Amino acid sequence: KQEVTQIPAALSVPEGENLVLNCSFTDSAIYNLQWFRQDPGKGLTSLLLIQSSQREQTSGRLNASLDKSSGRSTLYIAASQPGDSATYLCAVSRVYQLIWGAGTKLIIKP
Amino acid sequence: DTGVSQDPRHKITKRGQNVTFRCDPISEHNRLYWYRQTLGQGPEFLTYFQNEAQLEKSRLLSDRFSAERPKGSFSTLEIQRTEQGDSAMYLCASSLLPQDSYNEQFFGPGTRLTVL
Repeated sequence: KQEVTQIPAALSVPEGENLVLNCSFTDSAIYNLQWFRQDPGKGLTSLLLIQSSQREQTSGRLNASLDKSSGRSTLYIAASQPGDSATYLCAVSRVYQLIWGAGTKLIIKP
Repeated sequence: DTGVSQDPRHKITKRGQNVTFRCDPISEHNRLYWYRQTLGQGPEFLTYFQNEAQLEKSRLLSDRFSAERPKGSFSTLEIQRTEQGDSAMYLCASSLLPQDSYNEQFFGPGTRLTVL
């Protein structure tokens, strides 16, 4: 059974710092991995999708990496801003359903 | 707005009542998914449709839950005889077929259900 873990559960850093969020999964037979952002009480915004054959994806200040063999993904956020404060969730995909971590709650202090 | 929409955004009901939620996916998307999220947790898969066919249901989807997608467009999720444990955010997502999209799923804003 696939299990997804995100560490840390919460993170607070000063504005301007670069930071890394971690995601690990137990079964390397995944179709893809997605990183999402969720603001309090709101839905989910897709940030990056990494196909199983890819090693990384970049969008603006965000870079996500995938190492299937070790069951790990990282989300790198450069030059963090207060607007980046949110919960970040990773999810691994079988062909149809997503299996989720519990998220990392990120607070960027001005 | 051409994203996924859900209605209502919030629903407060008394235990034992029936509730129905609606999801309108992105118009060209073949697949539609329902997830449930409780506070502090990641979403959990409930069910998905490919066009009008319901192809998979989670064990979380008890007999009190039913979902439909009658014309392969919008979907409804009904909960009968609601219980306090049903209180959660119900999320809908849609995607193209995997070969066209790598199964990238796009989410609506969710319906927050509170059962008193």
